[in-house]
Amino acid sequence: QKEVEQNSGPLSVPEGAIASLNCTYSDRGSQSFFWYRQYSGKSPELIMFIYSNGDKEDGRFTAQLNKASQYVSLLIRDSQPSDSATYLCAVNGGAGSARQLTFGSGTQLTVLP
Amino acid sequence: KAGVTQTPRYLIKTRGQQVTLSCSPISGHRSVSWYQQTPGQGLQFLFEYFSETQRNKGNFPGRFSGRQFSNSRSEMNVSTLELGDSALYLCASSLAGLSYNEQFFGPGTRLTVL
Repeated sequence: QKEVEQNSGPLSVPEGAIASLNCTYSDRGSQSFFWYRQYSGKSPELIMFIYSNGDKEDGRFTAQLNKASQYVSLLIRDSQPSDSATYLCAVNGGAGSARQLTFGSGTQLTVLP
Repeated sequence: KAGVTQTPRYLIKTRGQQVTLSCSPISGHRSVSWYQQTPGQGLQFLFEYFSETQRNKGNFPGRFSGRQFSNSRSEMNVSTLELGDSALYLCASSLAGLSYNEQFFGPGTRLTVL
């Protein structure tokens, strides 16, 4: 059973702070890792993806991947109230099911003005 | 470039009926995946189609089926609806469905089974 675990939260941070979201996965064969943001009543929106160990930065977002520890994280710098949403970690299925994303349960983030 | 479109956006059905949902991927994308999202189970993979062929299937009963047309548009069918099938059904479009291809979601179809 391939699993993706996230802290369910809720996580609250003040405006301007750094929000740190974490995710662990069980399938060592997984190759690509995605972060989606989902506002209430909306569909998931892709914000970052990473497939190499290390950091990947895009604007205020930084994804970090450590395959040895089976750990992926998302940092949001200078958090804004508009970042308040549920953040979903998704992992590709690895060998034999590379086209299948397995999602964590999501972390609900609230950025307080 | 237009995004992923799904129709209808909302559906209300009764137990025992069947339903067909439609998804049009981003232009040029050939892979379409379907997911079910419920409060209790979260987002779960249903199946993936590429070039009119189902390449991968999740752990759902045979009542859930799908197909893909030559223009990459996809349909999903659920027969003999059960109350537990009430969910948001999402399709995701990908260039070729490779492990490093991003998947972009449509707005979803909200299905309510009474």
